[in-house]
Amino acid sequence: DQQVKQNSPSLSVQEGRISILNCDYTNSMFDYFLWYKKYPAEGPTFLISISSIKDKNEDGRFTVFLNKSAKHLSLHIVPSQPGDSAVYFCAASARSNQGGKLIFGQGTELSVKP
Amino acid sequence: DVKVTQSSRYLVKRTGEKVFLECVQDMDHENMFWYRQDPGLGLRLIYFSYDVKMKEKGDIPEGYSVSREKKERFSLILESASTNQTSMYLCASSWGGGHQPQHFGDGTRLSIL
Repeated sequence: DQQVKQNSPSLSVQEGRISILNCDYTNSMFDYFLWYKKYPAEGPTFLISISSIKDKNEDGRFTVFLNKSAKHLSLHIVPSQPGDSAVYFCAASARSNQGGKLIFGQGTELSVKP
Repeated sequence: DVKVTQSSRYLVKRTGEKVFLECVQDMDHENMFWYRQDPGLGLRLIYFSYDVKMKEKGDIPEGYSVSREKKERFSLILESASTNQTSMYLCASSWGGGHQPQHFGDGTRLSIL
């Protein structure tokens, strides 16, 4: 039972354009969502998060949008740069989760072409 | 800056061996986690610990055990390695209390022959 789903395994975008990565979840108890970026041969690095009391959070070129009614979140990267090419994971957590447990999606591999 | 260090980047072991993967964090984090990453499956939680000597099963604990004798160190043990445990293993840590991002090590690429 996949509680967090990233239905697009890959995405290709031209440099300078917008990248939109999507994530869906099924558990209505989730109240905190995160995006991680992973380069090959490195561990995931935390990118941006959003609490369920918000519907948008921005950090530079990265914006995360949360639609609670649709149980959907998205990460927008604008403008996209070749260095953004990586695998992106969304993750979710419920406050009731002991120990800060996160549930991860399958990942979307973003390729930004010059 | 948070540092999570995994003892080996690459490891090759044989079927049936007992395998130890070590992880150390330097930020006094309460929580520590072990994941495996496989293509198309994302990161799956094996075990986690929210305090010294405490451990909780994740989603795929079968064939694994863990040890947390000190706050900074969390070990993953493959009791009798099998080929289906060939994977990328990732350790992470986070502060306790409320929602906190997890910080990851660079991973151990484990091959079981």
